[in-house]
Amino acid sequence: SQELEQSPQSLIVQEGKNLTINCTSSKTLYGLYWYKQKYGEGLIFLMMLQKGGEEKSHEKITAKLDEKKQQSSLHITASQPSHAGIYLCGADPKNAGGTSYGKLTFGQGTILTVHP
Amino acid sequence: DTGVSQDPRHKITKRGQNVTFRCDPISEHNRLYWYRQTLGQGPEFLTYFQNEAQLEKSRLLSDRFSAERPKGSFSTLEIQRTEQGDSAMYLCASSRTISGTANTGELFFGEGSRLTVL
Repeated sequence: SQELEQSPQSLIVQEGKNLTINCTSSKTLYGLYWYKQKYGEGLIFLMMLQKGGEEKSHEKITAKLDEKKQQSSLHITASQPSHAGIYLCGADPKNAGGTSYGKLTFGQGTILTVHP
Repeated sequence: DTGVSQDPRHKITKRGQNVTFRCDPISEHNRLYWYRQTLGQGPEFLTYFQNEAQLEKSRLLSDRFSAERPKGSFSTLEIQRTEQGDSAMYLCASSRTISGTANTGELFFGEGSRLTVL
C-alpha cells in the first residue's frame, strides 16, 4: 500500500516568512492533493497535481509535483496568520487503467503556526 | 449553502451504544466517501458509494460499521456496540465522475462528525 510522509510535522514561523512543506510517497504519485484543515473542522481543498513537473499556484500558495512523481512540495510566500492550520497531502492510487476512484491515502499532516 | 453537510457535528455516547451519522453531499455529486480521522493523523478511507451502490469497504470497517446510501443522495454511517477505539472524527466527502468512472479530481469534504465514546 502507498504511504505518505510529510515533513516537517510542525512548523512555527513569523508572519511574512516563506515556508515549505514536503510530502514524500513510497510509490509513484498519480494524483496528489493538498488540503488545509482547521483544528476540529473539515478539509478545505487547495490544489491537485497530476503530472510530473506540474506546478500550480493559488494566491500565495504554490504546489509542485516532482519529475519522478514521488514527492510534492507546498510553498507559502509571505505567510500570514490566516495560513495557520494543518496541511495534509493525499495521494490517489489508480488502477492499471489509470482511473481515479478518489480513495485518498493521506499523510499525517503538518501543523503550521504563524505568529503575527 | 451547497457544500457537504454532516449531522450531528458532535456525539458523545457510552460504550456499547449505537450511533448514526448522516451526510448530505453536494447535490450533483454521484460519489460519496466516508473517512475516519484520529487525533494527530490524516484521514483514513473507510468506504465509498457511486450513486446507491457501495463499491468498496476498507479493512478498517469492522462488522460493527454499516453504511448506506439508499437513494443515491444522502448517506448514513452506523456504528453498533461502540467501543472507545471508535472515538474519532468521521468525515464525509463527495465528488462527481466523468466518463462513468474517473473522478473530476476534487473531493469536497464536510465539517465532520466528532464521536466520543466514554
